[in-house]
Amino acid sequence: EVQLLESGGDLAQPGGSLRLSCAASGFTFSTFAMSWVRQAPGKGLEWVSAISESGGHTNYADSVKGRFTISRDNSRNTLFLQMNSLRAEDTAVYFCAREMHGSIYSFDYWGQGTLVTVSS
Amino acid sequence: EIVLTQSPGTLSLSPGERATLSCRASQSVSSSYLAWYQQKPGQAPRLLIYGASSRATGIPDRFSGSGSGTDFTLTISRLEPEDFAVYYCQQYGSSLWTFGQGTKVESK
Repeated sequence: EVQLLESGGDLAQPGGSLRLSCAASGFTFSTFAMSWVRQAPGKGLEWVSAISESGGHTNYADSVKGRFTISRDNSRNTLFLQMNSLRAEDTAVYFCAREMHGSIYSFDYWGQGTLVTVSS
Repeated sequence: EIVLTQSPGTLSLSPGERATLSCRASQSVSSSYLAWYQQKPGQAPRLLIYGASSRATGIPDRFSGSGSGTDFTLTISRLEPEDFAVYYCQQYGSSLWTFGQGTKVESK
């Protein structure tokens, strides 16, 4: 069974940092591209960042470029999101999501999310 | 960046009725890269449709997707009680993913 389990969400101060993790199981993690998608309270979905299977290629939404860094450790089946220079508008539930095989660019499995709150 | 606009914002229907949800793109989208998701309160999104018209694994055949270019539609042929939720369209292009703002399907 495919499982994605996020952790690391917390209360952080504006300008602070957090590191999110997503532990994957039930599939060959190293063969799937992955993304982070967030959802502010009561709002819609916003794609944040993506990483290729090997970790060699990454992409970011303009809203987080230069502040967030996505990475992965295929030996530990884990996806990460390093979040620096946090702002109030980064407050959201952060989901990790698996990208379907075959250049389809849809997300077929999602974790349950971890809440990041940025407030003084 | 391609902007996706979903309509209506809210759809009030009864179980057994047909639901038609629209997703319009600000510029042409490859049909291969258009997806639909369902999200219930407190849950993660669930993939329903990918490639504009292909149902994801385990999705009932009352859900169907269609469209091309800038206009896409999700149809639920006969609403079941468990279908009342928020639905999002999503596209990929130029190494970026964008989502529509969502359509809420509520029970009348």
